[in-house]
Amino acid sequence: ETGVTQTPRHLVMGMTNKKSLKCEQHLGHNAMYWYKQSAKKPLELMFVYSLEERVENNSVPSRFSPECPNSSHLFLHLHTLQPEDSALYLCASSQGGGRLLEAFFGQGTRLTVV
Amino acid sequence: AQKITQTQPGMFVQEKEAVTLDCTYDTSDPSYGLFWYKQPSSGEMIFLIYQGSYDQQNATEGRYSLNFQKARKSANLVISASQLGDSAMYFCAMRDYLSGTSGTYKYIFGTGTRLKVLA
Repeated sequence: ETGVTQTPRHLVMGMTNKKSLKCEQHLGHNAMYWYKQSAKKPLELMFVYSLEERVENNSVPSRFSPECPNSSHLFLHLHTLQPEDSALYLCASSQGGGRLLEAFFGQGTRLTVV
Repeated sequence: AQKITQTQPGMFVQEKEAVTLDCTYDTSDPSYGLFWYKQPSSGEMIFLIYQGSYDQQNATEGRYSLNFQKARKSANLVISASQLGDSAMYFCAMRDYLSGTSGTYKYIFGTGTRLKVLA
């Protein structure tokens, strides 16, 4: 398997549920990202991990909890979400300082909170 | 702070024609990188083309070219010979160095332009 893989692709959850989004990259990158994409808004950067250490947290509510157990895996744990959290959640990875400068994205998880 | 502006929410182009998607940016860093991504309805962001601030020539990748005007802080994407499969959202992005990290960057995106190619 190559590239960035996100699971699940679609998720419907109630406001009292707890769920997790998973991201896996097989590119050997050292940085991983979570973005939120809502309708008619720019992609919002949520978290950045560099070498498994969180280096950026853009004032994201605590109901979103990231986890990076190793350089290939990134999780986003969700609990007590609100309907406005419904969005496409994109995971990305990049190699800082490497020859390839772009970020590589997964296909996203489309989350609906009911 | 870095910012990306895309002023065209939607564009139409006839198949086989060329189209230009606008992007302006704002940064105080002398060294920066600009990217264009395509997002089909499936959701995945697909990298198209990259332009570095010190690159002497405009970037080209197949049917994609970047009209880079540094003084005007614009980095417009030109798609030549449009195809029906080009219908998608297009995002302009800038890479911003995260201070205090060992070469880690974050990517800042504009609001995107939805392109529709007409048969």
